[in-house]
Amino acid sequence: GAGVSQSPSNKVTEKGKDVELRCDPISGHTALYWYRQSLGQGLEFLIYFQGNSAPDKSGLPSDRFSAERTGGSVSTLTIQRTQQEDSAVYLCASSFGGRVNEQFFGPGTRLTVL
Amino acid sequence: AQKITQTQPGMFVQEKEAVTLDCTYDTSDPSYGLFWYKQPSSGEMIFLIYQGSYDQQNATEGRYSLNFQKARKSANLVISASQLGDSAMYFCAMRETSNTGNQFYFGTGTSLTVIP
Repeated sequence: GAGVSQSPSNKVTEKGKDVELRCDPISGHTALYWYRQSLGQGLEFLIYFQGNSAPDKSGLPSDRFSAERTGGSVSTLTIQRTQQEDSAVYLCASSFGGRVNEQFFGPGTRLTVL
Repeated sequence: AQKITQTQPGMFVQEKEAVTLDCTYDTSDPSYGLFWYKQPSSGEMIFLIYQGSYDQQNATEGRYSLNFQKARKSANLVISASQLGDSAMYFCAMRETSNTGNQFYFGTGTSLTVIP
């Protein structure tokens, strides 16, 4: 089925390098969310896109993190000058703008910073 | 204050028994939504059940039901007739509506283990 997809599924990088994580939401979903899940922890909200509105960046942990969403569809989360504490699973979710707003999650990208 | 609180880091239940996973929330938004998600060891997040703040009836989806007590701000998940495949992490979440749209908040999760 055409669910949320994320790439790569796994990324190993060296400390100090930049990484880009990609999310393809479900077609027609207007809202897109990025979360971070550290080992054994809950979900930490990072950033939220809704339609053409300015994104809610309130969850980004530092200015090394940024995200964009092109054409209201695909989103890229960029982490610059990665640190070991950035190691986590990065989950993307999308939803309709309707009342229920069930989020559909992608499989995640497991980032390991050595 | 935490938006979503799950006080049970780990729970055990005998197969075929019922289990309740606790969730309390904090919001001043009159219109909000409550969700439960399941995350198996494979990592994917699976939507289970939704309760709207104005819904009069408790939500049910198959073996899942949400015990919604609005005055207490609790939204406990009840799983009836537990199965081995129910072993997973369970996350409670809340949707609030802000000026910029919808915000989601997740609890820290409860790890459920179903014992044969």
